[in-house]
Amino acid sequence: NAGVTQTPKFRVLKTGQSMTLLCAQDMNHEYMYWYRQDPGMGLRLIHYSVGEGTTAKGEVPDGYNVSRLKKQNFLLGLESAAPSQTSVYFCASSQSGGGPGVDQYFGPGTRLLVL
Amino acid sequence: AQSVTQPDIHITVSEGASLELRCNYSYGATPYLFWYVQSPGQGLQLLLKYFSGDTLVQGIKGFEAEFKRSQSSFNLRKPSVHWSDAAEYFCAVGAGNAGNMLTFGGGTRLMVKP
Repeated sequence: NAGVTQTPKFRVLKTGQSMTLLCAQDMNHEYMYWYRQDPGMGLRLIHYSVGEGTTAKGEVPDGYNVSRLKKQNFLLGLESAAPSQTSVYFCASSQSGGGPGVDQYFGPGTRLLVL
Repeated sequence: AQSVTQPDIHITVSEGASLELRCNYSYGATPYLFWYVQSPGQGLQLLLKYFSGDTLVQGIKGFEAEFKRSQSSFNLRKPSVHWSDAAEYFCAVGAGNAGNMLTFGGGTRLMVKP
């Protein structure tokens, strides 16, 4: 049981390049999330999904797109990377139901540097 | 909309000393409150959570937190800090909305002196 995994662990992009970050979970969770972490700002929600085929915007969605074609995978895309998107990206997942106290399980993060 | 403030960006304590990390939240209804820990280069791990019942909650690794509605606070405590507790700590609030989304504070980095 690997939990939540993220690919790649680290990436360097040039401004204007595109890339996709992959998140996979093996816990059969309905909900999945993408966050970015910047110094002093904690984690901010980019997009989230409450089930296969559904996605919604979070707090900071601009410049990102997501897809949830399979329940276990949640992809985060950057169509045209900008230096402001240099950050550490975390994926998380949680069960549905069980009330709002359900835990979110986090992946190890992807460190992205945009030059 | 909910928000979370962690007033202390950095805290340094001596090993064996007690610890209190502050967290203040803003939310109109009963909040769902969480503390997460992030070790260097790692993802976040849940330490403890509060959503109802006893206002003093116990977590893993000897941590506890107390919910004080009158002060809008959810401070994290540990009676005796170990060097392995050096990490970044995040407080978060959940609104109980669809998707169980969380709002995080800016984090407090804990350093432990030998």
